[in-house]
Amino acid sequence: DTEVTQTPKHLVMGMTNKKSLKCEQHMGHRAMYWYKQKAKKPPELMFVYSYEKLSINESVPSRFSPECPNSSLLNLHLHALQPEDSALYLCASSGQDSSGNTIYFGEGSWLTVV
Amino acid sequence: GQNIDQPTEMTATEGAIVQINCTYQTSGFNGLFWYQQHAGEAPTFLSYNVLDGLEEKGRFSSFLSRSKGYSYLLLKELQMKDSASYLCAVGFQKLVFGTGTRLLVSP
Repeated sequence: DTEVTQTPKHLVMGMTNKKSLKCEQHMGHRAMYWYKQKAKKPPELMFVYSYEKLSINESVPSRFSPECPNSSLLNLHLHALQPEDSALYLCASSGQDSSGNTIYFGEGSWLTVV
Repeated sequence: GQNIDQPTEMTATEGAIVQINCTYQTSGFNGLFWYQQHAGEAPTFLSYNVLDGLEEKGRFSSFLSRSKGYSYLLLKELQMKDSASYLCAVGFQKLVFGTGTRLLVSP
């Protein structure tokens, strides 16, 4: 079972709002990721958590704040976003299995900033 | 840095075979992944190659040549549902994706 679940599936927020995206996996994976994907573009890495510690931040603006409460959960806190931040936000996880360090994606959260 | 190239778009007919190529240049190599992404959905894992050669998985096969920085995804007995974008990606935790190949399968 390779399942990563994300909530909410769709989110519309104003530029002054504070909201959060949530992600959960129960595969025992120790690495979790946030990717951002704009239309007709490939996913772009934002953050990597490894063993619950932030290991990679791809120079993401501080209006995006990740949090890893435990090895199964990953949040992305959103504050003072801009309309250009509207995109599909993908959570993913990975662990050592027969396919190497394969990264498995959740279904994504569609974010619209108005 | 990493540079990954794929054709932008391909078309094929139902029942045919199609090969999607991917060339890459990386400073290190930990494996190459292929993902399928239907419009409006998340990428789903198809295959992983870390050693040279062909990996077969049902109708899908993936090939890797590390010396040439080259991979391809082979789709056999194409079905309409195979219409999707196919993303080549390299890396370890920092997975970098190619721009993707949009495949359109027609009747």
